[in-house]
Amino acid sequence: QKEVEQNSGPLSVPEGAIASLNCTYSDRGSQSFFWYRQYSGKSPELIMFIYSNGDKEDGRFTAQLNKASQYVSLLIRDSQPSDSATYLCAVNKSGAGSYQLTFGKGTKLSVIP
Amino acid sequence: DVKVTQSSRYLVKRTGEKVFLECVQDMDHENMFWYRQDPGLGLRLIYFSYDVKMKEKGDIPEGYSVSREKKERFSLILESASTNQTSMYLCASSLRDRAHTEAFFGQGTRLTVV
Repeated sequence: QKEVEQNSGPLSVPEGAIASLNCTYSDRGSQSFFWYRQYSGKSPELIMFIYSNGDKEDGRFTAQLNKASQYVSLLIRDSQPSDSATYLCAVNKSGAGSYQLTFGKGTKLSVIP
Repeated sequence: DVKVTQSSRYLVKRTGEKVFLECVQDMDHENMFWYRQDPGLGLRLIYFSYDVKMKEKGDIPEGYSVSREKKERFSLILESASTNQTSMYLCASSLRDRAHTEAFFGQGTRLTVV
């Protein structure tokens, strides 16, 4: 069973701090990695994707990938109350099903004003 | 801007009814997916389609069927709705491009079966 694991949280951080969200995956052949943000009652919204080892920055968000350790993380700098949401890690399946994404159950982030 | 539109935000149906959930995307994406999302269980793939008239079972296809007669439209059918199918249903689409497998979601349909 190919899985994606995340801490369910809740993760609470004060406004202005760095929030660090982590994700591990079991499918060694996965090549594409995504972070989605989901507000309560809404659908997931893509915020970051990363394909290569290392860091990728986009504004206040940084995605980090380590394929050898099968580990993906998302850093949110200068956290804002509007960042309070559930963050889903998604990984593509290797092989013939490579268009399919496997999702983690999400980490709930709460940014305290 | 990618647009995936689901026909209803909220639906209430009776046990045993046949239920149709419709999804349309306007980005010429080849791949379309139906997920359900339940508290504590996360997103689970029901069915997906890589092309018109083709379909593949996902992780939880029992009690569901799908139809894809046109590239932009993917329908999920609950043949005989049951209370355990009460859930949030999410449609998504993506390109058939191994370099770009990110999926874009519709707004979701919250289905209640009574």
